[in-house]
Amino acid sequence: SQQGEEDPQALSIQEGENATMNCSYKTSINNLQWYRQNSGRGLVHLILIRSNEREKHSGRLRVTLDTSKKSSSLLITASRAADTASYFCATDAGSSNTGKLIFGQGTTLQVKP
Amino acid sequence: AAGVIQSPRHLIKEKRETATLKCYPIPRHDTVYWYQQGPGQDPQFLISFYEKMQSDKGSIPDRFSAQQFSDYHSELNMSSLELGDSALYFCASSLGRRAGLGLNEQFFGPGTRLTVL
Repeated sequence: SQQGEEDPQALSIQEGENATMNCSYKTSINNLQWYRQNSGRGLVHLILIRSNEREKHSGRLRVTLDTSKKSSSLLITASRAADTASYFCATDAGSSNTGKLIFGQGTTLQVKP
Repeated sequence: AAGVIQSPRHLIKEKRETATLKCYPIPRHDTVYWYQQGPGQDPQFLISFYEKMQSDKGSIPDRFSAQQFSDYHSELNMSSLELGDSALYFCASSLGRRAGLGLNEQFFGPGTRLTVL
């Protein structure tokens, strides 16, 4: 069963606009990580936010985490055509702390030049 | 900086054949994870190793086995291949001791694209 669901499934914006993607999950977590994947290629680690953190920034990325609502959001500001990719959230929810990740279904972002 | 290396990058096999995928983690990383990503799907956890011991197991078919060697590289062995095994197989590595702190950033390799005909 899926741990995470992402919303929207697809997003199309113009270059320079902001893009917001949301992720919901079902169980308690140790951390939540966001990844980017260009079509059929590897997963690039973007950011990790721990369960006791509420917000984290990295360059043009801003991630929030609301553990009471079991949700997270990824905001990409001033988007560029090169941001076109699929974005996945992944939760580390293992009580045994083995670190395995459970991925959401991903949001496909298209940034038009 | 060195990244996770996977080989081969592409593999084509016939049904019922076997395949071996290799993963070389980032230097000093002691934990390896294997994930399978079908077409248009999200990655699914298969199995993981910490310090050469299996640490967790997901939806991995009995036809698949894996191990981590003394140099921390890992191999995923797949036998009696089926059409449904066609997928991208990713390996990721991390520092296991950080998992207990909730800080286990996992870094993924480029993946092996397996096509079963």
